[in-house]
Amino acid sequence: DGGITQSPKYLFRKEGQNVTLSCEQNLNHDAMYWYRQDPGQGLRLIYYSQIVNDFQKGDIAEGYSVSREKKESFPLTVTSAQKNPTAFYLCASSQIDKGQGQETQYFGPGTRLLVL
Amino acid sequence: AQSVAQPEDQVNVAEGNPLTVKCTYSVSGNPYLFWYVQYPNRGLQFLLKYITGDNLVKGSYGFEAEFNKSQTSFHLKKPSALVSDSALYFCAVSPTGNTPLVFGKGTRLSVIA
Repeated sequence: DGGITQSPKYLFRKEGQNVTLSCEQNLNHDAMYWYRQDPGQGLRLIYYSQIVNDFQKGDIAEGYSVSREKKESFPLTVTSAQKNPTAFYLCASSQIDKGQGQETQYFGPGTRLLVL
Repeated sequence: AQSVAQPEDQVNVAEGNPLTVKCTYSVSGNPYLFWYVQYPNRGLQFLLKYITGDNLVKGSYGFEAEFNKSQTSFHLKKPSALVSDSALYFCAVSPTGNTPLVFGKGTRLSVIA
């Protein structure tokens, strides 16, 4: 988990409320990712960003939004449009390989979001 | 579209015995393959990856994986299991460099003393 921090560890959301999950990395990585983990479903990609001020939707982007104003930060907002937000959210980062390789993604410790 | 299958939800093995966690993939082109491990309420930890070269890849904590192109498999192995290896294991694939990984659904490994 070293180098990537996520906060808070637990987050409670009320109906109709937007909440923001923090992800910060000090690894100087270009790319950052958000995944959602549900029991028995593995990890599903929400959004990713390969450069500051640019990001792409993943497989399950509906009801979520992100920003990438700084290289080290990639916050995720869970909006009220996300009707089933209870899950474990994982942030990851990786360096962009200028050759043909695939750089390893490193993960933060996760945030567990619960609905009140 | 690329995909990863981990055919076993749960694998049980006795401590000291060899273990295998299976992974098969479907991707066009040459795949980039990864194994991660997750302990309860923690993030994923990188174990090993295959990019090119030797089909047998060695990683952290004594784990290794064998890439088999003809069978499109990348099974994770360890010669002698420890109780501390009990965790959730994920296989992941990327079809090209610098694209997001696609993860399998995970296999829960239980090592019994």
